[in-house]
Amino acid sequence: KAGVTQTPRYLIKTRGQQVTLSCSPISGHRSVSWYQQTPGQGLQFLFEYFSETQRNKGNFPGRFSGRQFSNSRSEMNVSTLELGDSALYLCASSPQESTDTQYFGPGTRLTVL
Amino acid sequence: KQEVTQIPAALSVPEGENLVLNCSFTDSAIYNLQWFRQDPGKGLTSLLLIQSSQREQTSGRLNASLDKSSGRSTLYIAASQPGDSATYLCAVASLWGSSYKLIFGSGTRLLVRP
Repeated sequence: KAGVTQTPRYLIKTRGQQVTLSCSPISGHRSVSWYQQTPGQGLQFLFEYFSETQRNKGNFPGRFSGRQFSNSRSEMNVSTLELGDSALYLCASSPQESTDTQYFGPGTRLTVL
Repeated sequence: KQEVTQIPAALSVPEGENLVLNCSFTDSAIYNLQWFRQDPGKGLTSLLLIQSSQREQTSGRLNASLDKSSGRSTLYIAASQPGDSATYLCAVASLWGSSYKLIFGSGTRLLVRP
């Protein structure tokens, strides 16, 4: 089976712009979670989607949003980018529950200038 | 509020040594605990998952233990190899709202010297 794929792998944006990141889970996996990884804060949970519904959300401002499509592919969007949004954004998929073993993609490195 | 701590933050050992990585958590009400490995600039690879009712899990040269009552887990790596060099992260699945989320420690950066 193909692993979790994320596109794009690298992205450079300027403050105030918006960005959309994409994640394709492992075939058959229905749960997709998003995480932000920074040197200062480490890995932090953003949100989880299951069957096109947001099942859980972390402590991030409303500028961070996401969605999941009927084929389980997921996108996350960050509007009005700030310098502090520079991070590695990781997507993970699991068969049903977020408590199942999570399989991570390679991440999207976002740099905000 | 669940907090996960990993000690040490960094570790350098000669090849062949057996080593132990530590993970502690403040709230024992966890669903499970997972150990991951992350290579520089890459995503995470799941190594072991221990359910809250289990005491340990083994995979090859890796053995992870869980003591929920004391809020501790250890990852034991036998006969370390240079290819084991990576950052090791533990994460606990804790209740958040009506579902669970993973809360990660800050990781232990391991260097195995040839």
